Amino acid sequence: KNEVEQSPQNLTAQEGEFITINCSYSVGISALHWLQQHPGGGIVSLFMLSSGKKKHGRLIATINIQEKHSSLHITASHPRDSAVYICAVRLQGAQKLVFGQGTRLTINP
Amino acid sequence: DGGITQSPKYLFRKEGQNVTLSCEQNLNHDAMYWYRQDPGQGLRLIYYSQIVNDFQKGDIAEGYSVSREKKESFPLTVTSAQKNPTAFYLCASRENREFLVRTEAFFGQGTRLTVV
Repeated sequence: KNEVEQSPQNLTAQEGEFITINCSYSVGISALHWLQQHPGGGIVSLFMLSSGKKKHGRLIATINIQEKHSSLHITASHPRDSAVYICAVRLQGAQKLVFGQGTRLTINP
Repeated sequence: DGGITQSPKYLFRKEGQNVTLSCEQNLNHDAMYWYRQDPGQGLRLIYYSQIVNDFQKGDIAEGYSVSREKKESFPLTVTSAQKNPTAFYLCASRENREFLVRTEAFFGQGTRLTVV
């Protein structure tokens, strides 16, 4: 079992829909990252969380440390949101990030 | 603007040849990382460096080598010993202040290597 599991693996929705992507992890962490990877491959860091909730524009990320779970929400989704969204955790006391497999999001006009 | 630059974006090599992927950052970050991404899998750590002239093996270091002669640069060489080198390679960096673990990682645009 992977230390970081994302769901769903693939998600297709219509423009305007509210999107939720989930991330569960099984280890102690010091921080959790949500990343966005566009078709060209480059990765952009969206959020880094260690507790609570963060919001940036139409994106909202939450984390529940006790339940070892985080969600990424997109409000009023748009075709330009189509990308792979990746959850990554930094293990406690470790240098490296452990990545989930990613969720491929497609927003149709 | 500060950031990480990987070059080239696409790279083709013949089987049996060594190839070096470039990663340069002007963020004054101490720590740099190389990850490999294969279809359907999460990114996996190849090598990382916390400071100049020092680097450590990650989870899948076999068939790869790195150097860290300058703070700004962390090139990755994919050697002929790497059995399945075709993949997407991503470089990242972050500050490495041990008392402040919650620092953000910055990623390059990646290099897609195809070995034919």
